[in-house]
Amino acid sequence: KAGVTQTPRYLIKTRGQQVTLSCSPISGHRSVSWYQQTPGQGLQFLFEYFSETQRNKGNFPGRFSGRQFSNSRSEMNVSTLELGDSALYLCASSTGREYYEQYFGPGTRLTVT
Amino acid sequence: GESVGLHLPTLSVQEGDNSIINCAYSNSASDYFIWYKQESGKGPQFIIDIRSNMDKRQGQRVTVLLNKTVKHLSLQIAATQPGDSAVYFCAEKRDSSYKLIFGSGTRLLVRP
Repeated sequence: KAGVTQTPRYLIKTRGQQVTLSCSPISGHRSVSWYQQTPGQGLQFLFEYFSETQRNKGNFPGRFSGRQFSNSRSEMNVSTLELGDSALYLCASSTGREYYEQYFGPGTRLTVT
Repeated sequence: GESVGLHLPTLSVQEGDNSIINCAYSNSASDYFIWYKQESGKGPQFIIDIRSNMDKRQGQRVTVLLNKTVKHLSLQIAATQPGDSAVYFCAEKRDSSYKLIFGSGTRLLVRP
């Protein structure tokens, strides 16, 4: 079974621009979660989608948004990029049941200059 | 690869020894816990999980212990190998929430 895939793997953007990251979950998984990882803040939860509905949202500004498609693939968008948005963005998929293992993709390394 | 944390606590062990990585969690309502391993340049890799109605669970070379009284979680790795060198994170899930709260991580270095 193929793992979680994320595209692109690396991205360089300029302040003020916007960016869209993509995540394809493990086949059969209906839940996709997004996390931001930085050396200073560690791994922080952004949001989680299940069957195209956002079930949980972390404490990030409205510039961070996401969506999920009917095939469970998910995208996250960051508008008006700031230097502090430079991070590794990780996507995790799971079945979405109450107790569930989350499997992570390799991440997208975003650098904002 | 990139570092996942510049000032992480570090545990250094001799190859072949057992490793114990500790994690304290803050919320007594947390009902599910996972240990992840993250190697440089990669996403976190699932190691083992445990529900709050258990106090011990074993996998291949790994054991997770949960002490709900003091809100403490530990990961024991038997016969530590060089390939075990990585950053280890504990994560907790609270009640009906579908998000994981991650600890700050511990770097494990295995000396040959």
